[in-house]
Amino acid sequence: GQQVMQIPQYQHVQEGEDFTTYCNSSTTLSNIQWYKQRPGGHPVFLIQLVKSGEVKKQKRLTFQFGEAKKNSSLHITATQTTDVGTYFCAEEYGNKLVFGAGTILRVKS
Amino acid sequence: DAGVIQSPRHEVTEMGQEVTLRCKPISGHNSLFWYRQTMMRGLELLIYFNNNVPIDDSGMPEDRFSAKMPNASFSTLKIQPSEPRDSAVYFCASTLRGGLDTQYFGPGTRLTVL
Repeated sequence: GQQVMQIPQYQHVQEGEDFTTYCNSSTTLSNIQWYKQRPGGHPVFLIQLVKSGEVKKQKRLTFQFGEAKKNSSLHITATQTTDVGTYFCAEEYGNKLVFGAGTILRVKS
Repeated sequence: DAGVIQSPRHEVTEMGQEVTLRCKPISGHNSLFWYRQTMMRGLELLIYFNNNVPIDDSGMPEDRFSAKMPNASFSTLKIQPSEPRDSAVYFCASTLRGGLDTQYFGPGTRLTVL
């Protein structure tokens, strides 16, 4: 079946450093969603991107959808300890969403 | 709104026993999803209901797993008999309309099969 490629699998950063996770698809997407799961918690919806080249910001988080709508990124500026968790992208596959493997972010204070 | 409600939050059982997980979706949502999350396999969709009807059960691992949604406010996921490899966190999620809408996840049930 369709597989969402998400990289890196894991990143450990010093507090204050930036962080980026990437999602790549083999097909052109109509849209992409991003979720965050805190340790011991459940996935929580962050944002949906729909338009080619779209950029959306939520405070220190910047989400981007590629011009060809085949990739997306989530960038966190100046990470804080509250940013720890796993970040998932999710793309359409038929009538359902398929989640990437996630990027685990750890922040050293 | 209370959000998606799942019970129990933790379940420890012995191999061979029947396990039933329960979910109450957000009121007014017409679609419900059961996911399984493990370190090895990530977040996997098991089954998806729309208006109480199973739409896609291609992710259900085998006949030991079954899911029902008798009405719009309740669903169960049953494993019979359970095996140690079923140990995982099971999430229920609901959406307002369909499989491509924003997913609202419940807190999950952590299942351990000894």
